[in-house]
Amino acid sequence: GQNIDQPTEMTATEGAIVQINCTYQTSGFNGLFWYQQHAGEAPTFLSYNVLDGLEEKGRFSSFLSRSKGYSYLLLKELQMKDSASYLCASLDSNYQLIWGAGTKLIIKP
Amino acid sequence: DTAVSQTPKYLVTQMGNDKSIKCEQNLGHDTMYWYKQDSKKFLKIMFSYNNKELIINETVPNRFSPKSPDKAHLNLHINSLELGDSAVYFCASSRTLRETTGELFFGEGSRLTVL
Repeated sequence: GQNIDQPTEMTATEGAIVQINCTYQTSGFNGLFWYQQHAGEAPTFLSYNVLDGLEEKGRFSSFLSRSKGYSYLLLKELQMKDSASYLCASLDSNYQLIWGAGTKLIIKP
Repeated sequence: DTAVSQTPKYLVTQMGNDKSIKCEQNLGHDTMYWYKQDSKKFLKIMFSYNNKELIINETVPNRFSPKSPDKAHLNLHINSLELGDSAVYFCASSRTLRETTGELFFGEGSRLTVL
């Protein structure tokens, strides 16, 4: 079956660094996405990885290892506004997005 | 200008009623989707339309019927509402079905509460 696993909740301190992990098992693979969703709002696109390695975009970076079926989202210099859920999603061979349940990130002052 | 807009944002109704949610995108995208996000926050694909044709019809009750009058609009009609239909319904669009990046643009969501 197809499955995306990510922690349910994480807590971090303002100004610190946090890494949110995601493991995936899907039928085929056409890329791995991270979306951010603030409470009561729509998900917004953060990153897309299809090749192994690290993609950096400002304070956010995303890493992919295809052989391990593993990705992480790295958030640096955390700000209070980063408190949100972070959704991992894998694009399978039929170009369908398979979503994880999201990781709720709580930032404390 | 809102890229993907859906109405209404909030909908409270009684069991057994019929309701519709409308969605429009002004991005010129070919593909539109309906997702359901329940209280556990899983996003579940319900339907996908590519150029007005149904591409994905996941296992949802046939009380749910999508309608796409043109590629910029995808409406969702729900008959005989049940308590379990309470959720947030998100409309989304992407450039094409086989988009290399697959980035989805979401509407703000429509929170449906069935009493």
